[in-house]
Amino acid sequence: NAGVTQTPKFQVLKTGQSMTLQCAQDMNHEYMSWYRQDPGMGLRLIHYSVGAGITDQGEVPNGYNVSRSTTEDFPLRLLSAAPSQTSVYFCASTIRRDSYEQYFGPGTRLTVT
Amino acid sequence: AQKITQTQPGMFVQEKEAVTLDCTYDTSDPSYGLFWYKQPSSGEMIFLIYQGSYDQQNATEGRYSLNFQKARKSANLVISASQLGDSAMYFCAMREGGGTSGTYKYIFGTGTRLKVLA
Repeated sequence: NAGVTQTPKFQVLKTGQSMTLQCAQDMNHEYMSWYRQDPGMGLRLIHYSVGAGITDQGEVPNGYNVSRSTTEDFPLRLLSAAPSQTSVYFCASTIRRDSYEQYFGPGTRLTVT
Repeated sequence: AQKITQTQPGMFVQEKEAVTLDCTYDTSDPSYGLFWYKQPSSGEMIFLIYQGSYDQQNATEGRYSLNFQKARKSANLVISASQLGDSAMYFCAMREGGGTSGTYKYIFGTGTRLKVLA
């Protein structure tokens, strides 16, 4: 198993550009989520999904869209990038929504200039 | 309001000694889970230990134990016999939700940076 994979590892965007951060897992996990990590802020939940076709907002959803058309993939879309979205983004998954162990991807470092 | 509070931005511990990292939480949900994660300087997030709100016993995983005091809403991580490789950022997290709502949201604290001294 590859676990949770994220692409790209690094990305630089200009203000106003859009892009999609990819996240995939090959463990047939039900629950997937996106976080952003800013210095001194810990991880904050952006969006999550409890299964294919079901998504919901987390703590900081503004400026981001998600979809979950398959169990494996959970892409995060930045609609119009802003410097405030400069952060490290982590995708995570758990086998079931009430499971206790989250598997994290390696992260994507995004810089918006 | 902060739902997960880690009041120690940084801690030092001598190698082979035990250390306690503090975490308090706030929730009105009767069903919740508490977690600790380690983030080394390489950046990955590593799951350490879990405690369910209905668990009677404190969770233990090797050198890690979770001191769960439900009435005080605290979930401190104890690392015994510290090793140099334990130097990292440690995050406390809570999962709220479940039941009929079906929502499961994770909330993280701001972290404690632990440095183990040789």
